[in-house]
Amino acid sequence: EAQVTQNPRYLITVTGKKLTVTCSQNMNHEYMSWYRQDPGLGLRQIYYSMNVEVTDKGDVPEGYKVSRKEKRNFPLILESPSPNQTSLYFCASSLFGTANNQPQHFGDGTRLSIL
Amino acid sequence: AQSVSQHNHHVILSEAASLELGCNYSYGGTVNLFWYVQYPGQHLQLLLKYFSGDPLVKGIKGFEAEFIKSKFSFNLRKPSVQWSDTAEYFCAGRDTGGFKTIFGAGTRLFVKA
Repeated sequence: EAQVTQNPRYLITVTGKKLTVTCSQNMNHEYMSWYRQDPGLGLRQIYYSMNVEVTDKGDVPEGYKVSRKEKRNFPLILESPSPNQTSLYFCASSLFGTANNQPQHFGDGTRLSIL
Repeated sequence: AQSVSQHNHHVILSEAASLELGCNYSYGGTVNLFWYVQYPGQHLQLLLKYFSGDPLVKGIKGFEAEFIKSKFSFNLRKPSVQWSDTAEYFCAGRDTGGFKTIFGAGTRLFVKA
């Protein structure tokens, strides 16, 4: 079954304790992306990756890191989490396609609470 | 600056009512547009997309959207909603020459049975 898998689904942690949210897709997609969803703000793009070893900042990259060492995986790293990073996070992937017209497939989300 | 805006944050309808959710975009060049739906507790799923050709796009579950270039709009419509359409709907845009995706703030639809 084609899917985007995120782990963990829920995490409560404390300020400053490094954490990683994993994302894996089994569709051989080139493009992967991380979003955070906050009430009234919709989804905001944190980072995206066009392919292995190629990443770039989205609209809200501060406080986050990513890596793309393998095509299927795109982990999101919070080196020193702060309470303002409490949010619902989604990973997504898509084929690169021509003219960027491919829709994205989303994971089930990770709800992070930073105390 | 590129942006996608959705006019209605909350919409309440009775079953069988018609639906139209507004979406306006601001892009310098050619844009691909998407509508996604998020059912309670679930991830986003694609409803429909537009990238070229016929400006009236049909999607899943009876939804359609019309791309009106002169109005920079891509409104989502459904002639008769059902209780199961209760969800949050997101409009999104992606520049054909870039890699960022911009989402609107979302519209929460509640359909009364």
